[in-house]
Amino acid sequence: NAGVTQTPKFRVLKTGQSMTLLCAQDMNHEYMYWYRQDPGMGLRLIHYSVGEGTTAKGEVPDGYNVSRLKKQNFLLGLESAAPSQTSVYFCASRAGASTGELFFGEGSRLTVL
Amino acid sequence: GQQLNQSPQSMFIQEGEDVSMNCTSSSIFNTWLWYKQDPGEGPVLLIALYKAGELTSNGRLTAQFGITRKDSFLNISASIPSDVGIYFCAGQLGGGATNKLIFGTGTLLAVQP
Repeated sequence: NAGVTQTPKFRVLKTGQSMTLLCAQDMNHEYMYWYRQDPGMGLRLIHYSVGEGTTAKGEVPDGYNVSRLKKQNFLLGLESAAPSQTSVYFCASRAGASTGELFFGEGSRLTVL
Repeated sequence: GQQLNQSPQSMFIQEGEDVSMNCTSSSIFNTWLWYKQDPGEGPVLLIALYKAGELTSNGRLTAQFGITRKDSFLNISASIPSDVGIYFCAGQLGGGATNKLIFGTGTLLAVQP
């Protein structure tokens, strides 16, 4: 079972470049999330979506945009990458609001030079 | 915003020892969750707690939902090398359509054979 799949797994960018991280889930989950993980700071929510066509800001949304055109996909975009966006990014999904279990992808490591 | 204080930050123990870690919050949560992250992987749910005072076990793991609803504890008995990883607590505020999870900063566990 694929679960939650993130692409790419690794990426190196120069400051100012743009890129998109793709998250795909095959569990028919309504809710999808993008987190970033930094040393000593745990997982911080960037943006999330409660259904196809909807998105909302999380804890640290600045510098990122998202889109949920299809239920199974949640895209995270960086329009103009900055070194502060060097991090490991995790996508997660869950069936609905009442269940706390998030299913995570394997992560995407992004380095901005 | 809400913060979760997780301690200790790291633990270095011998195989066979018991482990305890905890998470405290300034806010009341309706759900507490404990996740484990293996190196290079995304977090995986270990235990979910839904009621104040609840004590739940999963093999050698035991977690408790604090009576005040502001804290939670995770114990690992008779640790083994595969217990190595980062353990995260997460609290869910409940209410509203999103029920976002707030993650702790993580406890890094190293087990020496």
